[in-house]
Amino acid sequence: DAKTTQPTSMDCAEGRAANLPCNHSTISGNEYVYWYRQIHSQGPQYIIHGLKNNETNEMASLIITEDRKSSTLILPHATLRDTAVYYCIVRVTPRIIQGAQKLVFGQGTRLTINP
Amino acid sequence: EAGVAQSPRYKIIEKRQSVAFWCNPISGHATLYWYQQILGQGPKLLIQFQNNGVVDDSQLPKDRFSAERLKGVDSTLKIQPAKLEDSAVYLCASSQAGSGGSDTQYFGPGTRLTVL
Repeated sequence: DAKTTQPTSMDCAEGRAANLPCNHSTISGNEYVYWYRQIHSQGPQYIIHGLKNNETNEMASLIITEDRKSSTLILPHATLRDTAVYYCIVRVTPRIIQGAQKLVFGQGTRLTINP
Repeated sequence: EAGVAQSPRYKIIEKRQSVAFWCNPISGHATLYWYQQILGQGPKLLIQFQNNGVVDDSQLPKDRFSAERLKGVDSTLKIQPAKLEDSAVYLCASSQAGSGGSDTQYFGPGTRLTVL
């Protein structure tokens, strides 16, 4: 079962920052927070992941609260192409060769960017 | 770098017929996943391979679904016989996990199956 809670839908104006919240109050100490998104008729696309420090890459920023019970994905300048379903997932990331954990997807947040 | 390839993109069959889906992962990726995504839901893992061995098939309906990954590269997923509730998008993903690399999963475009 998914271990995260996300709003069902959100709207954001083009050019503004989109802030997508995620609650993961039962997260364990060795679990990372992952974000994927799925644009219509495409497979999910990896965005970013983090453990406890804030992370930033070319796509987005991830802000994780100090108690790690929630996080926010930030798309700094949303475009129409960012319209998608965004999934927040918690999982262990093995750093040794010992197989990989499956992704357990919830319902995600349907983000609509409006012109 | 080429992404995960899947075929066909769309398939329409009648219930009780058989169907097969094919996946070619990113070159060098040891781990391959098949997910089922029913309309309006997030993807659900069906089976996970590491090289040509099965790691997790606990959610695979084994009475009708089968999958193989011969030679640890391409994979096929088969449904026989299909039921109406099998209508879904079947997604293939791969990662470097198991070969010393990142376990970030990269997904293909999926095969949309409609069972009539």
